[in-house]
Amino acid sequence: DIVMTQAPLSVSVTPGESASISCRSSKSLLHSNGITYVYWYLQKPGKSPQLLIYRMSNLASGVPDRFSGSGSETDFTLKISRVEAEDVGIYYCGQLLENPYTFGAGTKLELK
Amino acid sequence: EVQLVESGGGLVKPGSSLKLSCVASGFTFSSYGMHWIRQAPKKGLEWIALIYYDSSNKYYADSVKGRFTISRDNSKNTLYLEMNSLRSEDTAMYYCAKGSLGYWGQGVMVTVSS
Repeated sequence: DIVMTQAPLSVSVTPGESASISCRSSKSLLHSNGITYVYWYLQKPGKSPQLLIYRMSNLASGVPDRFSGSGSETDFTLKISRVEAEDVGIYYCGQLLENPYTFGAGTKLELK
Repeated sequence: EVQLVESGGGLVKPGSSLKLSCVASGFTFSSYGMHWIRQAPKKGLEWIALIYYDSSNKYYADSVKGRFTISRDNSKNTLYLEMNSLRSEDTAMYYCAKGSLGYWGQGVMVTVSS
């Protein structure tokens, strides 16, 4: 199975500042079709996860452009610029390249 | 608007069975693969099953293989998860999700305890 490793496990950010979350996969997530199958989700307190970024760098519908995704074949970054109160929650990276789909352990974002 | 509504959860004893349902609306259900994902209390996300749009292929996590069965009824826009031989470690919130996990339901809680 592909292992997804996130860092840090928690981050505390002052509103208005930026935050970055890293995710590393144990295997390349680059498919032969040129698409990198890494996704980012945010689970707000008491809610279901919501998609933020799909295929490494594509912003999901309705997601503020303060969120961005980047990376290589195995190393990925979610960046949140100008953090707001509504960004609090747990962020998960996930790979949808092959079964079983797997997720990182999550990064908890809190406000200072 | 895409909506996924799960139901069928509850408190059951170890060894029991339970069947979850997920009713979909707001999109052409018969065109999308569907998933079940679970989250144990205070834990992370665990993908457990996928079914193709036409039920031609089904995939399972090793943790549920042989005990859980995913199915769908495209005429009813409904996804199912039949869970047998339930164990305490199956206690979790169960979510259904569409396609590339772009939309998730609100989840349904399953508690396995004696």
